[in-house]
Amino acid sequence: RKEVEQDPGPFNVPEGATVAFNCTYSNSASQSFFWYRQDCRKEPKLLMSVYSSGNEDGRFTAQLNRASQYISLLIRDSKLSDSATYLCVVDGYNKLIFGAGTRLAVHP
Amino acid sequence: GAVVSQHPSRVICKSGTSVKIECRSLDFQATTMFWYRQFPKKSLMLMATSNEGSKATYEQGVEKDKFLINHASLTLSTLTVTSAHPEDSSFYICSASGGVSRGYEQYFGPGTRLTVT
Repeated sequence: RKEVEQDPGPFNVPEGATVAFNCTYSNSASQSFFWYRQDCRKEPKLLMSVYSSGNEDGRFTAQLNRASQYISLLIRDSKLSDSATYLCVVDGYNKLIFGAGTRLAVHP
Repeated sequence: GAVVSQHPSRVICKSGTSVKIECRSLDFQATTMFWYRQFPKKSLMLMATSNEGSKATYEQGVEKDKFLINHASLTLSTLTVTSAHPEDSSFYICSASGGVSRGYEQYFGPGTRLTVT
């Protein structure tokens, strides 16, 4: 079983749509969780950390379910500029474990 | 956020040659630097973790004699791919952490695309 698993997509959605990504992780001892965004042929950039209580940053909402070991990211009112690959990242023994990413394509 | 640079951004080399990639933290002291490799449509895979002034810790399956890492100062780490082969062609990304003073956050460099012909 992979340490961090994501649906690779792609998710093709129209502008304005709401889209949700899920991610599962295998290490129950993980303490820190993140969503990163990676544009084609670029380095990943931190989108947001994920807290146990859930957190929101504008159109983006992240949730953590420790019991089920899954993390979600909700994007509301999608913009063309949201098109990217979204990486679920979990800390494991002082290093970051990256999922393979979920590709999002927002079209007009 | 903090700035991390990588040089070169792109390199093409012939099979059998060695390539050195530099990773610099420009505005903070990086106690730890990480080297990742990413193949197309795959996740970033950690290759090694290096702390300034000590030997790097390599992940399982990564040959330390092939991927030489030097972290000589708090702002510079280098990765040398020795005797490169076409299967080493990949996107190499470093990240730098300022430790507890920066909440252990990792700041990523822009990556180096290596093509071995």
